[in-house]
Amino acid sequence: TQLLEQSPQFLSIQEGENLTVYCNSSSVFSSLQWYRQEPGEGPVLLVTVVTGGEVKKLKRLTFQFGDARKDSSLHITAAQPGDTGLYLCAGARRNAGNMLTFGGGTRLMVKP
Amino acid sequence: GAVVSQHPSRVICKSGTSVKIECRSLDFQATTMFWYRQFPKQSLMLMATSNEGSKATYEQGVEKDKFLINHASLTLSTLTVTSAHPEDSSFYICSARDLLYGYTFGSGTRLTVV
Repeated sequence: TQLLEQSPQFLSIQEGENLTVYCNSSSVFSSLQWYRQEPGEGPVLLVTVVTGGEVKKLKRLTFQFGDARKDSSLHITAAQPGDTGLYLCAGARRNAGNMLTFGGGTRLMVKP
Repeated sequence: GAVVSQHPSRVICKSGTSVKIECRSLDFQATTMFWYRQFPKQSLMLMATSNEGSKATYEQGVEKDKFLINHASLTLSTLTVTSAHPEDSSFYICSARDLLYGYTFGSGTRLTVV
C-alpha cells in the first residue's frame, strides 16, 4: 500500500461539473503539496498547505488540509477543458527528512 | 520563483550505451536534489537523493551501479543510466529543494532505449 492514497485514479467529466480529489494517509505530514502535470512535462506546484484545517483557494480550485494533517482534498468548481491533466498530491514528513512522498495521482479529463 | 532546468528533454539511445541527464538549479543553490522515475500514467517514484559533495542515497530496489548520480556542485546534479536496456525507457524527472520556494521540478527527460 502507498503511504499516500489518492482517489479517484481517473475522472472523466463534462465541462462545468464540479469534482473533488482526495489524498489520504495514516501518517502525519508537516506539509502537503498539490501539483498538476501535463504530458511530457514536470509537475508544477499548485499549492502548499502546512497548517491543520487550512483552506487555500486558487481561482476555481480549493485545497483543504485535514485537521490532523493526515489528509487533503482538492475541489475544482465548474471544471474547464484546460483543467485536464494529472493531479498529484505529495506529502513531506519531518521524520523522513521532509522528503516528498507522492500519491498515485488522479488523471482528470474534462470534456467540452 | 526557483527554476530547475533539465536536459535533454528527449533522448533515444541504443541498447548497451550510457546516457547522461543533467539537472541544474538556475537561480538558487541546492545541496540536495532528487531523481524520480515515472512510468506511463503513473505517479512519480523516488529513485535517489543526490547530495552535494557526497554519495547519493538510493531507494530500495534502485541499482546504484546502473543509475550513477553525481552532485559535484551546488547547482548541478547528473544522472547517468549505464548500459541502458529497453526496460530503462521511462520519463526521468529531477527536483531541487529551495528554502523559500520548496520543491521545484525539472521538465523531465523522456528516455527511449532501442
